Amino acid sequence: SSELTQDPAVSVALGQTVRITCQGDSLRSYYASWYQQKPGQAPVLVIYGKNNRPSGIPDRFSGSSSGNTASLTITGAQAEDEADYYCNSRDSSGNPWVFGGGTKLTVL
Amino acid sequence: EVQLVQSGAEVKKPGESLKISCKGSGYSFTSYWIGWVRQMPGKGLEWMGIIYPGDSDTRYSPSFQGQVTISADKSISTAYLQWSSLKASDTAMYYCARTHSSPTYNWFDPWGQGTLVTVSS
Repeated sequence: SSELTQDPAVSVALGQTVRITCQGDSLRSYYASWYQQKPGQAPVLVIYGKNNRPSGIPDRFSGSSSGNTASLTITGAQAEDEADYYCNSRDSSGNPWVFGGGTKLTVL
Repeated sequence: EVQLVQSGAEVKKPGESLKISCKGSGYSFTSYWIGWVRQMPGKGLEWMGIIYPGDSDTRYSPSFQGQVTISADKSISTAYLQWSSLKASDTAMYYCARTHSSPTYNWFDPWGQGTLVTVSS
C-alpha cells in the first residue's frame, strides 16, 4: 500500500511564504491534489495536478512536485489561510484513496 | 452551480442499520465518480470508496471493504453510503465528493457539507 507523509504542524508569520510538503512513493508517478479544511467545514480543493487552481482560489496558492515530494506553497500567507491542509494521491493500483495525515497551518 | 447536498445528522445505537445520502445537482450526475470520505473526531481524512453512477461500478478502499456498502440511484441523482450493523467506532463525519480523474492525477470537487453519524448506546 502507499502512504503520504505530512508534517503535523507548520507556522508562518503573516504575509510570509510557507511551504507544506507531502512525501510518498506514489508521488513519483502521480501528482497530488491539495485540500484546505477549516474547523467545522468541509474540505475545499485548492490545488490539483501539476499546478492548477480551481476558480475562486487566490493565486497566492501554488503547487509543485519533485521526486517523491509534492509541495503546496502559500506566498504571502493571510490570517484566513489558517487551516488544516491535506494532500491526496493514488495508490500503486491507481486508486485515489491515499490521503496524507494533514498539516495544521498556524498564521502568526 | 454544481452542488452535493448530504442528508442530515444521525444518532444511532450499536447494531442498527443506516443509509445516508448525497444528492448531486448542476451537472450530469452519471458522468462523474462520487467518493465517500470518513473523518473521525479530531482526525484526518480517509477514503472509503467510489461509485460511478452511470453504471454503478463501485470500488472500495481495502480498509472499508465489507464494512460499508456504496450505491447510487441515477434516476434521482443520489449516492448512498450504508451500514448494516453500526459500531461505536463508526462515529464520524462522512463526506461525499465528486471525483475527477486524468491519467496522472485525480481531484475531488465539490464536496458535500458532511453528515455527522453518532453511534452510542
